[in-house]
Amino acid sequence: SQQGEEDPQALSIQEGENATMNCSYKTSINNLQWYRQNSGRGLVHLILIRSNEREKHSGRLRVTLDTSKKSSSLLITASRAADTASYFCATGIFGNEKLTFGTGTRLTIIP
Amino acid sequence: DTAVSQTPKYLVTQMGNDKSIKCEQNLGHDTMYWYKQDSKKFLKIMFSYNNKELIINETVPNRFSPKSPDKAHLNLHINSLELGDSAVYFCASSQVSGFTDTQYFGPGTRLTVL
Repeated sequence: SQQGEEDPQALSIQEGENATMNCSYKTSINNLQWYRQNSGRGLVHLILIRSNEREKHSGRLRVTLDTSKKSSSLLITASRAADTASYFCATGIFGNEKLTFGTGTRLTIIP
Repeated sequence: DTAVSQTPKYLVTQMGNDKSIKCEQNLGHDTMYWYKQDSKKFLKIMFSYNNKELIINETVPNRFSPKSPDKAHLNLHINSLELGDSAVYFCASSQVSGFTDTQYFGPGTRLTVL
């Protein structure tokens, strides 16, 4: 099974509302990254949070990391139609050279 | 200027054929990757190269052969295509190898095997 699993699989909200997505993982990590994928496009890096960090902000994005629960959340505030995309978490694990991507949350913002 | 570019964007071919996908990055990065994204959007790494050297080969069938002529290019050749190879293939790059750095993705190549 995947290292990272996002929850929910799909989320639809009204424009202007906040969107929260969660990522759970299984093994200890060095860092966790969030990526966005617009339909038919490649992934775009949003934010990286290291295992010794608890919270990070970037514009309307807020990411939290709880290593004791092996989980992370991505909050998008004041959502816009352009935020409609799939969002993936990816974990970096000590001793492993690769990023392991989760299953993704499909976010739809309703204008 | 596109940071990571892939060609072609779409590839439709018959089972049994051989095809190649090309990738180029102009970011000056040392590491490049190939990922496969299936119909359920699951993204899985296939290969990574650091300065033209193979770092990760993620139990991909021998029919897939990556080639890095220089650190700005990583091509993927696929022999004897099968139906199950249909997917979107993404190239990516990062400044350093491994999981500690941001990865920059290309736009993807949608491969359809008939």
